[in-house]
Order: sequence, then structure tokens, then C-alpha cells
Amino acid sequence: AQSVAQPEDQVNVAEGNPLTVKCTYSVSGNPYLFWYVQYPNRGLQFLLKYITGDNLVKGSYGFEAEFNKSQTSFHLKKPSALVSDSALYFCAVRDSQDTGGGNKLTFGTGTQLKVEL
Amino acid sequence: GAGVSQSPSNKVTEKGKDVELRCDPISGHTALYWYRQSLGQGLEFLIYFQGNSAPDKSGLPSDRFSAERTGGSVSTLTIQRTQQEDSAVYLCAVGRYQETQYFGPGTRLLVL
Repeated sequence: AQSVAQPEDQVNVAEGNPLTVKCTYSVSGNPYLFWYVQYPNRGLQFLLKYITGDNLVKGSYGFEAEFNKSQTSFHLKKPSALVSDSALYFCAVRDSQDTGGGNKLTFGTGTQLKVEL
Repeated sequence: GAGVSQSPSNKVTEKGKDVELRCDPISGHTALYWYRQSLGQGLEFLIYFQGNSAPDKSGLPSDRFSAERTGGSVSTLTIQRTQQEDSAVYLCAVGRYQETQYFGPGTRLLVL
């Protein structure tokens, strides 16, 4: 079974400072990893994904994430946070071996990011 | 979300009533998913449609929940005899096989 853990319910950071939102995962095969962002009363917006290749993945709005196989992590990062980045962030995983499982994503419980002036 | 609309955006119903939620994707997305987002929890997979294959219903929480997809496009999620614990945001997502899933804006369901 696949699972995702986001150990922090909330992350607070000052505008202009770097931010990190943590994510660890567990799968049987190789992981396909995703980050989504959710603004209030909105659906989920895709930020970035790791399928294969370079461990550092760049995505929308200046976000990036680093795949670390040995630590089974896929932390989301941004060098300089903006107040407008404040939102709920979800990490998700799909097991590459789960071809019969409909490719469904397993999500973490989300991390609320608050960027303050 | 790009390429997916859901209706209604909000639904308030009384316990015991049936509700029907709609997902309307743009064409070209062969895979369609329903997820549920309960307050304070992550997203829970409900059901998956892929082309003409039999749907993967493994996430449906009870037999009160059902879904169909007509003509490989529009999908409806039906909840019969709603209960208060069914209150949640129901999200539809689409994607091509094994690719990124793109989410609709969701339907916020409140069961009184």
C-alpha cells in the first residue's frame, strides 16, 4: 500500500525568506510524486511532479521540489516566499507498479502555509 | 481547475435525501476520478473511470455511493440517503492515462 506523510500541519515563514514544506512517502515500486496547492474555496492546482530523471524538479510560481530516494522524501521549496503563496499544500504519490489500481493518487493530509509580512 | 467544471458548486440537503453531483470535463481526458475532501483531512479516493473499462470502485465508502460516466465524458456521483458524515467537498479530476490529474473546483456538500 502506498502512503504519504506531511508532518507539519502548518508552516509559518516571513515574506522573502526561503520556505520548505515536507513530504515523505512509502510505495512498493517506484514513486510518481506530485505537489498540489489549494487556495480557499478552490480546487487543487497542479504545481509540479517527479516521474523520472533529475531529482530537482521545477514547477509553477517559482516552486521546486527535490526527490530523495534514500530518505523517501519529496520536499517542496521556494527560495523567496510571497504573501500570495499562503495556501494549503498537498503532496501525493502514485505507485508505478499500481497499474491495476487505476492510477489513483494517495494524498497527504496537507500543510497550511502562512507567509507573513 | 483547467478543463473541468463541477456543479453545483454548493449543495445543502437534509439527512436522508439523495444528491447528485456532476463533473463535466473537456474532451480528450480518458481518465476521470472522484475524490472526497473532508474537513481537516486529506483527499480520499472514491472511484476511477478509464475509457470503456470497468470503473475502479474500491474507494466508495458504502453502497449508498455510486457513480457513472456517460459517453466517456460527463460523470455523475450519486449519494443516496445522505448522512451528516457525507458532508465534504467532492472533487473531480481528469487526466490522460498515467499522467497528471487536473482537478475541478469541487462541490461543497452540507448535510443537515
